[in-house]
Amino acid sequence: DGGITQSPKYLFRKEGQNVTLSCEQNLNHDAMYWYRQDPGQGLRLIYYSQIVNDFQKGDIAEGYSVSREKKESFPLTVTSAQKNPTAFYLCASRLAGAGNEQFFGPGTRLTVL
Amino acid sequence: GIQVEQSPPDLILQEGANSTLRCNFSDSVNNLQWFHQNPWGQLINLFYIPSGTKQNGRLSATTVATERYSLLYISSSQTTDSGVYFCAVNAGNNRKLIWGLGTSLAVNP
Repeated sequence: DGGITQSPKYLFRKEGQNVTLSCEQNLNHDAMYWYRQDPGQGLRLIYYSQIVNDFQKGDIAEGYSVSREKKESFPLTVTSAQKNPTAFYLCASRLAGAGNEQFFGPGTRLTVL
Repeated sequence: GIQVEQSPPDLILQEGANSTLRCNFSDSVNNLQWFHQNPWGQLINLFYIPSGTKQNGRLSATTVATERYSLLYISSSQTTDSGVYFCAVNAGNNRKLIWGLGTSLAVNP
């Protein structure tokens, strides 16, 4: 099946630990995005990448890092520098030249204990 | 930057009722999307509608770009329509989506 997968679905970590969230897509999309959602809020952009080996900071990049070594993959690392990491994280992708319609993965719910 | 406002913030319906959700945006846009977030958090694309009208089953949407608003119509609502409906826009060369705060819909049997 074509689509966007995120793993794990639920993730627990202790304060002070780094953790990496996975996002993979087999849609041959060029651009990929990471968003954060807090309860009762809209989505806020963390990082995005329009081509392999290139990415840009979004509105709330502090305490996060990403890489884009392959077109299909855009992992997000939540570092210990992120002060409030407990949130729902959503990955999206978009095909270049097809407007700006973004499609989303199922999300990862991160809880810091 | 561009602002996106959705109304109403909350809506409760009886199954079978119709509803209209509204999205206002503060500047010209070149993309507008409607999403449904189900109770498990999955964001489902409903419409990509920078202008005009589209229909998909019981749902339809209209964007009047010159007046900077979009409407999402839900007819004959079902309990599975419950969740949060988001409007998101993109303007200019910026590839980022700007999101409203959503309309939380509960459809009771």
